[in-house]
This record gives sequence, structure tokens and C-alpha cells, in this order.
Amino acid sequence: DAKTTQPTSMDCAEGRAANLPCNHSTISGNEYVYWYRQIHSQGPQYIIHGLKNNETNEMASLIITEDRKSSTLILPHATLRDTAVYYCIVRVLTSGSARQLTFGSGTQLTVLP
Amino acid sequence: NAGVTQTPKFRVLKTGQSMTLLCAQDMNHEYMYWYRQDPGMGLRLIHYSVGEGTTAKGEVPDGYNVSRLKKQNFLLGLESAAPSQTSVYFCASMGQGRSEQYFGPGTRLTVT
Repeated sequence: DAKTTQPTSMDCAEGRAANLPCNHSTISGNEYVYWYRQIHSQGPQYIIHGLKNNETNEMASLIITEDRKSSTLILPHATLRDTAVYYCIVRVLTSGSARQLTFGSGTQLTVLP
Repeated sequence: NAGVTQTPKFRVLKTGQSMTLLCAQDMNHEYMYWYRQDPGMGLRLIHYSVGEGTTAKGEVPDGYNVSRLKKQNFLLGLESAAPSQTSVYFCASMGQGRSEQYFGPGTRLTVT
């Protein structure tokens, strides 16, 4: 699986959009970009994933650059409850038969009142 | 629909003691995983299962054993606990043909 690079921490004002970047310059053509988050002391929570097209769901939007070397997770109207560590993970959709996730250190997003 | 549950939530063991962590899911998922998370670190995969009766080693399997006798349950065993196994343990499951994992609330284990 390709390596990802994320900023260690970011702040965002409540009600504003939070834009979390992720670099994955060695991504392969068959690797997807996944985002999970972990609110303090809880289990990680799946947010969104995509291959090359932009994706949107009820939680967030995922913007992947045309060369796929980087992506941005957008939380359109951040709330205090969005304060969490956000993990960007790149992996093949079917990696052997396990499809396990490899977590890095992530980005600590703090939403400020 | 409870999702993924873990038992117990907290446990303190003495070095050399044994224990079993239970993970249960009610989503009929094929894949199940055990991760550990040390302070300030990301999750690391211990063992996983691709179906009932199957198990496989992950990134950090030493000191742990697992069993998946029933599809809905995945057990993680520590035969002789060591202080290095002090951690938060997360279980996860994933459905066949899907790619998102669902995590339990975690078990906080301290070995003294």
C-alpha cells in the first residue's frame, strides 16, 4: 500500500469548512483513498473513500487531484463533535483476501468554538 | 442492531496472567480483525479472519492467539500477559464485497 503524509494537527472554526490534506505521491492505479476518523477514546469510524472521482456522502466530500497524488477531505460545516484524529489510508480494494487497513499517525483536527 | 461490541471494556492483569477478549458483530460480516493502539500511535493489526474457522497473522501477532468458531464472534487470547501488551484493543468487521470496516468501542488493558 502507498505511503501517505498528513499534517500532524489543524484547527478549524466551528461552522466553517475543514479541509484536511493528504499526500500519496506513490499511489498506484488500483489503489483507493480511504478516510477514517477517531474521536477521543473511541473506535475509528469510516468516513468516505474514492478512486479518482470526487465523492460526497452525508458526512464529507473527498476531492482527489487529477494525478491522484493528493487528496482533500472536506467537512463542510465543522462542529465541535468533529474534533478527532483523521486518518488518510491508501490501499488496493482487494489486497489478498484480508483487505486490512494500515493506520498512520493521522491529523488531529480541533474545531474551535 | 448493536454493530460491533467488545467485552470487557476495561481490564487490569498481572504479568503472566491470561485472558480472552471477546468481539461480537451482528451484521453477518465475513471479515473480522483485531488491532491494538498504543498511546499516540495509529492502529496495528494483530490477527484477522476471513471467515468462520479461519485465522491469520497480522503485523504484530506475537503473544496473542485468536479463534473464530462462530461467524459472529472473534476471540483474542493472551496466554501470558506482559507489560508490553498494555494497550487499547479494537475489533473490527467488514462485509463481503465491501471495503469499509466497522470498529468496536475498544478494550483498555493494563498489565502490571
